[in-house]
Amino acid sequence: QQQVKQSPQSLIVQKGGIPIINCAYENTAFDYFPWYQQFPGKGPALLIAIRPDVSEKKEGRFTISFNKSAKQFSLHIMDSQPGDSATYFCAASTETSGSRLTFGEGTQLTVNP
Amino acid sequence: DSGVTQTPKHLITATGQRVTLRCSPRSGDLSVYWYQQSLDQGLQFLIQYYNGEERAKGNILERFSAQQFPDLHSELNLSSLELGDSALYFCASSVTWASGLGEQFFGPGTRLTVL
Repeated sequence: QQQVKQSPQSLIVQKGGIPIINCAYENTAFDYFPWYQQFPGKGPALLIAIRPDVSEKKEGRFTISFNKSAKQFSLHIMDSQPGDSATYFCAASTETSGSRLTFGEGTQLTVNP
Repeated sequence: DSGVTQTPKHLITATGQRVTLRCSPRSGDLSVYWYQQSLDQGLQFLIQYYNGEERAKGNILERFSAQQFPDLHSELNLSSLELGDSALYFCASSVTWASGLGEQFFGPGTRLTVL
């Protein structure tokens, strides 16, 4: 019940395309859903996050869509650039567990020029 | 640069040995988290400390232990090392322990190789 399932495992798009990464969860106690971006040799860095009381959040070219009833959320990257090539992780946490992050399996995104 | 420092960057050791990984959180952050990243298990939460006290525990092996010192730096001790312990170990810090109220900032990680 603590798992977060992420898909696809890898994704290749052309520059300017809109990659979409999906995540699903079971634990309805999750109350914070961040997305992290990780470049090779670096630690994950927070990209954008959402709480379950909103259905969408945009920050620059990144948008999270959240469907509470379906227990799913997704990341959209508008006008993707080669510099966006990285591994993306969705995650979830709940205050009762001390805000430990439960991560999805990760999606390796490649944006071709 | 997240402001979280981890040492050493790389560690190569043999099975059965014991190692200590060190983490210094961002200035002002009271909460420290340890995560393990491996190819087969992904990013897994190990343990969390808040202001010196253990706050949450994940799937941390009994051979592993951690502590947070009065100056808020943290150490993760791994003993009786096995080949399967080879992984990237990340430390993260946040201002608070409350979900969604404090972004977790990750350090650059320590790559542990057990031969």
